[in-house]
Amino acid sequence: KAGVTQTPRYLIKTRGQQVTLSCSPISGHRSVSWYQQTPGQGLQFLFEYFSETQRNKGNFPGRFSGRQFSNSRSEMNVSTLELGDSALYLCASSLDAGYQETQYFGPGTRLLVL
Amino acid sequence: GENVEQHPSTLSVQEGDSAVIKCTYSDSASNYFPWYKQELGKRPQLIIDIRSNVGEKKDQRIAVTLNKTAKHFSLHITETQPEDSAVYFCAASRGSGNTGKLIFGQGTTLQVKP
Repeated sequence: KAGVTQTPRYLIKTRGQQVTLSCSPISGHRSVSWYQQTPGQGLQFLFEYFSETQRNKGNFPGRFSGRQFSNSRSEMNVSTLELGDSALYLCASSLDAGYQETQYFGPGTRLLVL
Repeated sequence: GENVEQHPSTLSVQEGDSAVIKCTYSDSASNYFPWYKQELGKRPQLIIDIRSNVGEKKDQRIAVTLNKTAKHFSLHITETQPEDSAVYFCAASRGSGNTGKLIFGQGTTLQVKP
């Protein structure tokens, strides 16, 4: 099976702009989670989508939002970008059925906000 | 709130020695504990995981132990090799039905000197 893919891989934006990142999970996986990775804060959970519904949410401001489509592909959006939003954004998918709990990560989208 | 503490933040060992990384979690409902390895510029990859109904799990040179009473789990790597050098993250979640929300430790940078 193909792994988790993310597009774009790199982005440069300026403060105040908005950005949309995309994640395609492993075929058959229904859960997609998003994480922000920075040197200072490590890996922080943003939100999780399961069957097109947000199932879990982390402690990020409302500028961070997401959605999931019927084919399980997911997008996250960040509005009114701030310098501190510069980070590696990782998505991960899992089957989440029974004990099939492993989350598989994508390569990430590196966002630089200038 | 949910929190995972990971120690040490850096660890340097000689090739062939053992390495131990420790994590403590706060959410008593956590019952799934994966460990990820992230090499520079790459995505996190699962190396081993354990569920709360098991106290120890081993896979070749890697083992994980769990003490639910103390809310403590550890990664043990024996006979370390230079290719084990990477950042290691522990994580905790509430398991099936909630596997999408992983709370990560801050990471341990392991350096194995030849």
